[in-house]
Amino acid sequence: DGGITQSPKYLFRKEGQNVTLSCEQNLNHDAMYWYRQDPGQGLRLIYYSQIVNDFQKGDIAEGYSVSREKKESFPLTVTSAQKNPTAFYLCASERGAAQPQHFGDGTRLSIL
Amino acid sequence: GQQLNQSPQSMFIQEGEDVSMNCTSSSIFNTWLWYKQDPGEGPVLLIALYKAGELTSNGRLTAQFGITRKDSFLNISASIPSDVGIYFCAGQHINNFNKFYFGSGTKLNVKP
Repeated sequence: DGGITQSPKYLFRKEGQNVTLSCEQNLNHDAMYWYRQDPGQGLRLIYYSQIVNDFQKGDIAEGYSVSREKKESFPLTVTSAQKNPTAFYLCASERGAAQPQHFGDGTRLSIL
Repeated sequence: GQQLNQSPQSMFIQEGEDVSMNCTSSSIFNTWLWYKQDPGEGPVLLIALYKAGELTSNGRLTAQFGITRKDSFLNISASIPSDVGIYFCAGQHINNFNKFYFGSGTKLNVKP
């Protein structure tokens, strides 16, 4: 089945540690996105990528980094500079401009 | 950044009742999307709207793209317990095809 796979489902971060969240899609979509979701709030855009080897900062990029070496993969690293990393992280992909985004099932990140 | 106002924040209704929720924006949008999110999962696309005035149905769900292009409405008829979840609107600004802005969600509770 085609879809977006995020892993792991749950992740714990120690103080000063970088952690990487995986997002893989087999939909052959060009664009991929990372969002952060906090309770009672809408999704906030962290980073997005329209094509391989290119990505742009979203509204809350500080403390995060990404790479887009392959079309199907868009990993997100939560660095130690992100002081409040506890949240639900959602990855999405999109066939093209103005097309609906499709989401993975998310990764819940917590601090140990 | 762009703000989407989604209301109501939460609703408690009886099974069988109809439900209405809406999103408004201060800017003109060229696309409106409605998603449903179950706990611990990613949002699932319900309806996509592309033209002002467009009215689209998906089973018991009906959504409309407002004439002013600054709002959208979602109606659920004859609610059932599995309608429980958080409903999000998302809009794409006419000047930026690379981003969707998300409302803060409407949490729906249905009493059997």
